[in-house]
Amino acid sequence: DIQMTQSPSSVSASVGDRVTITCRASLGVGNWLAWYQQKPGKAPRLLIYAASSLQGGVPSRFSGSGSQREFTLTISSLQPEDFATYYCQQASQFPFTFGPGTKVDVK
Amino acid sequence: QVHLQESGPGLVKPSETLSLTCTVSGGSFSTYYWSWIRQPPGKGLEWIGYIYYTGSTNYNPSLKSRVTMSVDTSKNQFSLSLNSVTAADTAVYYCARVLVPPSWPMDVWGQGTTVTVSS
Repeated sequence: DIQMTQSPSSVSASVGDRVTITCRASLGVGNWLAWYQQKPGKAPRLLIYAASSLQGGVPSRFSGSGSQREFTLTISSLQPEDFATYYCQQASQFPFTFGPGTKVDVK
Repeated sequence: QVHLQESGPGLVKPSETLSLTCTVSGGSFSTYYWSWIRQPPGKGLEWIGYIYYTGSTNYNPSLKSRVTMSVDTSKNQFSLSLNSVTAADTAVYYCARVLVPPSWPMDVWGQGTTVTVSS
């Protein structure tokens, strides 16, 4: 299985901050990587797919970049509704695997 | 607006079979892949597998010996069966729609259903 890691595991930030989360894959996954946002007690929500394609309805302050083994999710200006846990997921090889998550909380 | 809803028992005894159904409403059922994902309490996400509307499947090898997925296109439903459950199978189980390969994003999710394995 392809192992996914994320850093940091948690980040404390303030509204308006720029937040960057890194996801690394144990093998190259091309650009077949997605990012999800999950709030407590809720299902994950797709933000980004194919590394950099913004899912419909997702605010443009979210962006994704990277390829092969290193990817980043950037929130350009953190909003109150963005405090959540973020997961990356590779879709290059079965089984699909997720990163352990990065929690973005209030500074 | 596509909506997915999981249903099934919230409590299953050890060694028995966990059975869940996901009902899809408000959109097309055919032409999509459909997945199950689970999340143990306080932990991350684990992909269980997918089923295509034709019935073809792909399971996570870590669960493959215990998992069966099926589809009922007449009811716009797909199901998960996990046998010989233990406490380690206690989790929130989500169903999700999977967009076409090669990007395979899971773009619509059910709200999730909590399954506890306990005697």
